[in-house]
Amino acid sequence: QKEVEQNSGPLSVPEGAIASLNCTYSDRVSQSFFWYRQYSGKSPELIMSIYSNGDKEDGRFTAQLNKASQYVSLLIRDSQPSDSATYLCAVNGDNAGNMLTFGGGTRLMVKP
Amino acid sequence: SQTIHQWPATLVQPVGSPLSLECTVEGTSNPNLYWYRQAAGRGLQLLFYSVGIGQISSEVPQNLSASRPQDRQFILSSKKLLLSDSGFYLCAWSQSTFEQPQHFGDGTRLSIL
Repeated sequence: QKEVEQNSGPLSVPEGAIASLNCTYSDRVSQSFFWYRQYSGKSPELIMSIYSNGDKEDGRFTAQLNKASQYVSLLIRDSQPSDSATYLCAVNGDNAGNMLTFGGGTRLMVKP
Repeated sequence: SQTIHQWPATLVQPVGSPLSLECTVEGTSNPNLYWYRQAAGRGLQLLFYSVGIGQISSEVPQNLSASRPQDRQFILSSKKLLLSDSGFYLCAWSQSTFEQPQHFGDGTRLSIL
């Protein structure tokens, strides 16, 4: 069974710090990886996609992928209180329906 | 650009009543469509997905069903709701090409009394 593991948190960081969110996955054939942000009571919002080993930066967000270690992470620089949310890691295996396996999410709290 | 509409936003239903939740996507054709449920404080549970009109795959056996009567319309139904059907129901879509992300609607919060 395909699994995606995340520490449920909460991860608490002070405002302005770097928040580091981690995710491991079990299916070696996984090809694409996504990070979603979900505010309390709202639906998940796609914030990052990564397909190749290495780093991908978008504004204050950096996604890192290491397929050999089956590990994907999300770094949030200069964390703001508005970044407080649950972050979901999602993995797309080799399937035609683009079905995703989601981790349980990490709750991030950024304290002013 | 593509948009996804899901309604209603909130629904309160008695046990044993029927259910119909609707989701439509605009700005794309032949999308993959998905229904998820998220219980309070829990992760996302995939209920159904569809890769085309009339094609429905069920991930979890239960008293819910799904239909796709048109290319960009996805409907979640139940004939008789159970207390355990309470939750946050999310519709999502993706492009039909490989390795595409899913994009979620705003969700329906369903409470069963």
